[in-house]
Amino acid sequence: DTAVSQTPKYLVTQMGNDKSIKCEQNLGHDTMYWYKQDSKKFLKIMFSYNNKELIINETVPNRFSPKSPDKAHLNLHINSLELGDSAVYFCASSQASPITDTQYFGPGTRLTVL
Amino acid sequence: GNSVTQMEGPVTLSEEAFLTINCTYTATGYPSLFWYVQYPGEGLQLLLKATKADDKGSNKGFEATYRKETTSFHLEKGSVQVSDSAVYFCALSEGDYKLSFGAGTTVTVRA
Repeated sequence: DTAVSQTPKYLVTQMGNDKSIKCEQNLGHDTMYWYKQDSKKFLKIMFSYNNKELIINETVPNRFSPKSPDKAHLNLHINSLELGDSAVYFCASSQASPITDTQYFGPGTRLTVL
Repeated sequence: GNSVTQMEGPVTLSEEAFLTINCTYTATGYPSLFWYVQYPGEGLQLLLKATKADDKGSNKGFEATYRKETTSFHLEKGSVQVSDSAVYFCALSEGDYKLSFGAGTTVTVRA
């Protein structure tokens, strides 16, 4: 029944490693997002996809690469992890534009880079 | 660019107290405004929204009115409960596929 799910929930890894976070939504939405929440709870959008096409890339380093194999999935791959990448990453989806459509968030993935 | 400024927390209240969280925004046009809430250990969920000036959003006893003249969208609740302890985010969206969030305000309600 989970609307937006993410795996894993926790991810602990060493600097320099490559890791992926998966996101799936079963709401039939057209638009999906990745957000990063830092230790002070500040939330910033990273990417937005509409119908599998990238429409927002908020000056995120090239080490972060989103992949949308279909409308229901938006995965986030991170190369060469750095200490500053430690954060909680949230996936979200909405029917179309967030102007009028509610965004539904996943439970988050807490990434810790050692 | 668009931006949202929220009052800084943390805010600590006793049960049944009145809660106000101030939110002001900067936008070039006519944004939609939102309050999202994040309960401990969970993702964000929509609390309420307003899409045009003078609209009032309400949900679970919370209210916020879209004030264009003061560019504000303050969140209020008349009598808080322990279960309202959470982080509250003001956000806006204007003509693009993203929300701009405020910094979040942590609210703790004591029994």
